Amino acid sequence: EAGVVQSPRYKIIEKKQPVAFWCNPISGHNTLYWYRQNLGQGPELLIRYENEEAVDDSQLPKDRFSAERLKGVDSTLKIQPAELGDSAVYLCASSSLGPNTEAFFGQGTRLTVV
Amino acid sequence: GESVGLHLPTLSVQEGDNSIINCAYSNSASDYFIWYKQESGKGPQFIIDIRSNMDKRQGQRVTVLLNKTVKHLSLQIAATQPGDSAVYFCAENRHGAGGTSYGKLTFGQGTILTVHP
Repeated sequence: EAGVVQSPRYKIIEKKQPVAFWCNPISGHNTLYWYRQNLGQGPELLIRYENEEAVDDSQLPKDRFSAERLKGVDSTLKIQPAELGDSAVYLCASSSLGPNTEAFFGQGTRLTVV
Repeated sequence: GESVGLHLPTLSVQEGDNSIINCAYSNSASDYFIWYKQESGKGPQFIIDIRSNMDKRQGQRVTVLLNKTVKHLSLQIAATQPGDSAVYFCAENRHGAGGTSYGKLTFGQGTILTVHP
């Protein structure tokens, strides 16, 4: 069974440029998460989807970040414009609906803003 | 505020020894806990979970202990191997109304485990 697939693996951009990340969750998983992980820290939730609906985006900086999950499967996370402080690993995860089901993570996209 | 923290940022052990990684949480409403292992350049990998109605749960070479009285969680790895070297995170979650999960895993800072051959 394929796991969570993310692309690209690495991205280097200049500040003020836009960037987008793509995630393909595990087949059949209704819940999709985007996390940001800064160096030496644990992942922090940016947004959580249940099917097409964003049920928790309270931690998403909406002035520059946006996300979408069309058709309730793949998702994209966009930053426009990127800032130096956005350099981090962006992780996508998915899980089944229901209580206490673990999230499976992709390998992440390492973003460097210069 | 809510937080999940770890007592020790680094842990070094010899191959074959047992390892214990600790985690403290502050949200008494948390009722589901997960340990993740993260190797360099990879996403977190699920190791084991435990619900708040349990005190102990065992997997293959791993045991998680939960002490709700002092809000403490630990991960025990038996016969630690070099392949166990990684960063270990505890994460907490809590039920919403009707038994559904909030789904917002809150992660701690992580413990770096280094296993020496």
